[in-house]
Amino acid sequence: AQTVTQSQPEMSVQEAETVTLSCTYDTSESDYYLFWYKQPPSRQMILVIRQEAYKQQNATENRFSVNFQKAAKSFSLKISDSQLGDAAMYFCAYSGGATNKLIFGTGTLLAVQP
Amino acid sequence: KAGVTQTPRYLIKTRGQQVTLSCSPISGHRSVSWYQQTPGQGLQFLFEYFSETQRNKGNFPGRFSGRQFSNSRSEMNVSTLELGDSALYLCASSSSMGGYTEAFFGQGTRLTVV
Repeated sequence: AQTVTQSQPEMSVQEAETVTLSCTYDTSESDYYLFWYKQPPSRQMILVIRQEAYKQQNATENRFSVNFQKAAKSFSLKISDSQLGDAAMYFCAYSGGATNKLIFGTGTLLAVQP
Repeated sequence: KAGVTQTPRYLIKTRGQQVTLSCSPISGHRSVSWYQQTPGQGLQFLFEYFSETQRNKGNFPGRFSGRQFSNSRSEMNVSTLELGDSALYLCASSSSMGGYTEAFFGQGTRLTVV
């Protein structure tokens, strides 16, 4: 069975600084996808960034980038130039095969200090 | 384009009762997935529907059921409610099946069982 682990329950960063959230996963599948979702206090989950496992190049979306280490099964999220609006719960998620089923980690609560 | 709409937003039920939650996906989306979010268990996958067919089911008791209609709207039903069913129920819609497809989430239904 696939699992996703986020070992940092809470993180804090100063506004304008950079923070990295960690995620590791376990799978025996060769074709899969990894995601970072953000859940602000409004509760609505929003996709931040996604990565296809067969692509070696790390995905980037504006201030958000990932460090995808396939052999180590690691998928960390880097947020540059942190903003107050980045404060939220961040979930790492896995999806494999012809399904939309997402397996989520336990989340990391990110606080941004002004 | 309207987002994913979940109704009702809040619900209070008594143990032993049953409840039906509704999800209207983004127009044109044919895939709907349901998740249960609790502080103790995190985000857990319930079911996935595509074109009125259940394609995947999570590890939940038979009291949890769902269906999808021809207009892609989906409902989930929980019978004989237990205190442990108190949770945020999230619905996600996607345009197609396949792990890379972006899932768009609704704001959820907060169910409280007393």
